[in-house]
Order: sequence, then structure tokens, then C-alpha cells
Amino acid sequence: LAKTTQPISMDSYEGQEVNITCSHNNIATNDYITWYQQFPSQGPRFIIQGYKTKVTNEVASLFIPADRKSSTLSLPRVSLSDTAVYYCLVGELGVNAGKSTFGDGTTLTVKP
Amino acid sequence: DADVTQTPRNRITKTGKRIMLECSQTKGHDRMYWYRQDPGLGLRLIYYSFDVKDINKGEISDGYSVSRQAQAKFSLSLESAIPNQTALYFCATSEVDRGGNEQFFGPGTRLTVL
Repeated sequence: LAKTTQPISMDSYEGQEVNITCSHNNIATNDYITWYQQFPSQGPRFIIQGYKTKVTNEVASLFIPADRKSSTLSLPRVSLSDTAVYYCLVGELGVNAGKSTFGDGTTLTVKP
Repeated sequence: DADVTQTPRNRITKTGKRIMLECSQTKGHDRMYWYRQDPGLGLRLIYYSFDVKDINKGEISDGYSVSRQAQAKFSLSLESAIPNQTALYFCATSEVDRGGNEQFFGPGTRLTVL
């Protein structure tokens, strides 16, 4: 399983764009990159998933360079409610899915 | 109604007691998981089940056992609870058709072992 490395914490202000980078140097050919958000005392919630280049949905964008050894979660115009822990996971889809490991995540604090 | 439910939500027990945490889901997913989370840390996988007849150990299965009674039910047992099993426990589900890496989590069970 590919190991991931993220910053332990980040601070931002309301209205700013936040970029959280995850390193996964040992990513395998069949691995996808998945990001989750977790609020205190709640289970994680899926945010976005991608394989290469750029993926965008209604809440975030995911940028993956050609070598796929890192990825960046981009949260546009954050609000106080985006204060949470963000996890980057790397693993296969399909029959081998679900075996990814959660690292310790990045604690994002959004200030007024 | 919640798609993934866990009972109990909170439990305080004593060292040596047998404890069962239960998880039920109405999402119709084949895959179910049990994780534990210690304060300030990420989730660690205890056991996972890809269907009723398939049970697999995760990274920290020692001291735990599971039972997949039906597609919708996955129980986690601590045969003889010890204080370092005090943690927040999460159940999750996923489906292969959508890739399998999008997991849906329950609300968690906070377990305290005295």
C-alpha cells in the first residue's frame, strides 16, 4: 500500500482558496487518489477522487501531476465550516478497493 | 434515517469484559469495514468484509473479532476489553460498482475501557 504524507496542520481565513498537498511517492499504476473530510466526533465524508490531471466537483478540485507522486486538494473560498481534518488515501478501485489506509490527515483551521 | 447506524453510540466498560459493537446499513452495499480512531490520529482498519462469506484482517486486528451476520450487519467484538482499546470506533460501507473507495461512515461508537 502506498504511504501518504500530508502537512499536520494548516491555517486559513474565510474566503481564501486552500490547497492541501499529499505526497505518495510509491503510488502504483492501478492506484487512485481519494480525499475525505472529517469533523470532530463524526465519521469521514468522501470529498473527491481522481487518477490523473484534474477532477472538479461542487465542493473541491483535485490536481494530480503527470508523475502522480503527489496530489493537491483545492478548496475554493473556504468558510468557517470547512474547519476539519482532511485525509488523503491512495489505493485501487474495484475488487481490490477498500484496503487503503488513513494517515493522520491535515487539520485545517479556517479563521474569521 | 441514517444509512449506516451503529449501536451503542457510547459505552463504558471494565477491563476483561466482552463487548460487542453493532453496525447496520440500508445502503445495500456488499462491503463493510470497522475502524478505530485514537485522539488526534487517523483511522486504522481493524477488519473488513467484502461479502457475507469474506472476512479479512486489517492492520490492527489483534484483540478483536467480527461477525458478518447478513449483508446489512457487521459486528465487532472485543473478547476481553483492555484500557488501550479505548477509542472511537467507526463502521463504514462501500460498493464495488462505484469503485469501492468511496466509503460511507456511521456516526461512531465511543468506547471507554476502565
